[in-house]
Amino acid sequence: GAVVSQHPSWVICKSGTSVKIECRSLDFQATTMFWYRQFPKQSLMLMATSNEGSKATYEQGVEKDKFLINHASLTLSTLTVTSAHPEDSSFYICSARTGGSHYEQFFGPGTRLTVL
Amino acid sequence: GENVEQHPSTLSVQEGDSAVIKCTYSDSASNYFPWYKQELGKRPQLIIDIRSNVGEKKDQRIAVTLNKTAKHFSLHITETQPEDSAVYFCAARNTGTASKLTFGTGTRLQVTL
Repeated sequence: GAVVSQHPSWVICKSGTSVKIECRSLDFQATTMFWYRQFPKQSLMLMATSNEGSKATYEQGVEKDKFLINHASLTLSTLTVTSAHPEDSSFYICSARTGGSHYEQFFGPGTRLTVL
Repeated sequence: GENVEQHPSTLSVQEGDSAVIKCTYSDSASNYFPWYKQELGKRPQLIIDIRSNVGEKKDQRIAVTLNKTAKHFSLHITETQPEDSAVYFCAARNTGTASKLTFGTGTRLQVTL
């Protein structure tokens, strides 16, 4: 299957700082990428859908000014957690979608964010 | 929007026994139903999927069944092994350009020796 990478794999930051997470599709072009958040022992919750060259679509309850998403190319989407607080500590997973009517969705390895 | 319920939340079986995990969905427009296995701290891995034009699909020890009328689908693992221990998530995806995956709440499967 196709490969999706994420960087960094883990990050620890102080409360009030901003953190940027990168998601790359390594061997295919992805016009659509997704960002999920997963708290311990919980399911994956979709935060937003990122479309190349346009504004992201955020799920209800997700603050778009706090979680900034940029999808500037067909292989890269970034999620910036602004003014991070301890409650933002979570496992953030991106996913990239291939093209076609029977498209597939491939997940990145995730980024563990810890806000002190 | 879509709502996916998953049961049970935890499941313990002895090695060699079968395990069954069930999910229901709410949106009749959903037409794609994947199952993922997630180990601690890792990405979800697709283990099997089924589309709405098929009632059953099998891949070695893993099978999935879909009942569109009742809006439920199930994962069956036979001859379980300790390495099957993980959290399993079902998901449903709706149609259209704005389609997105909605995940179930997960089932923690423990295969004991």
